[in-house]
Amino acid sequence: EAGVAQSPRYKIIEKRQSVAFWCNPISGHATLYWYQQILGQGPKLLIQFQNNGVVDDSQLPKDRFSAERLKGVDSTLKIQPAKLEDSAVYLCASSSPGLATDTQYFGPGTRLTVL
Amino acid sequence: AQSVTQLGSHVSVSEGALVLLRCNYSSSVPPYLFWYVQYPNQGLQLLLKYTSAATLVKGINGFEAEFKKSETSFHLTKPSAHMSDAAEYFCAVSGYSGNQFYFGTGTSLTVIP
Repeated sequence: EAGVAQSPRYKIIEKRQSVAFWCNPISGHATLYWYQQILGQGPKLLIQFQNNGVVDDSQLPKDRFSAERLKGVDSTLKIQPAKLEDSAVYLCASSSPGLATDTQYFGPGTRLTVL
Repeated sequence: AQSVTQLGSHVSVSEGALVLLRCNYSSSVPPYLFWYVQYPNQGLQLLLKYTSAATLVKGINGFEAEFKKSETSFHLTKPSAHMSDAAEYFCAVSGYSGNQFYFGTGTSLTVIP
């Protein structure tokens, strides 16, 4: 089966610009996660969707970050405006059916550099 | 709230030697625990997970981990390291509700020929 797809793989922007990342989860996976992985750190959960509803967004900086998952399939994560500290790899993962014991399947990530 | 602490950000072992990567958890209730591996320029991949069944969990590529409630630990081991094991390893914890998934800071494993 096809894995989690993410695009773009790399993005370089200037601070204060906007950027968007796209994720397509494994077919049939109800739960979708976005993580931020800063160099040298573990992934930090930004937002978790169950179908098209938000389960947890407690660590999402809502003043500049937004995410949506229309129709409960693919998802976009947006940063507007970007700051230098947003430089990181943004990982998307999916799982089914969304239990705490589920295996999460990760995409390759989008590496964002903010100059 | 749950959290995990990985002791040692870098571990080096000789090829054929025992691999031991340490993870301690903090949780007010029995947690679910995971080990993920990240190879360079790749996404994370599940090695194994503890879901309150057997305390000794066997995973892929010869890795295993033992859940020890008395020590609040979930250390990852492999009897004999292989060059292909060189990667970043992350311990993670999840609560019962299925949200609030937390990763540790990671341990970079180097295998010396």
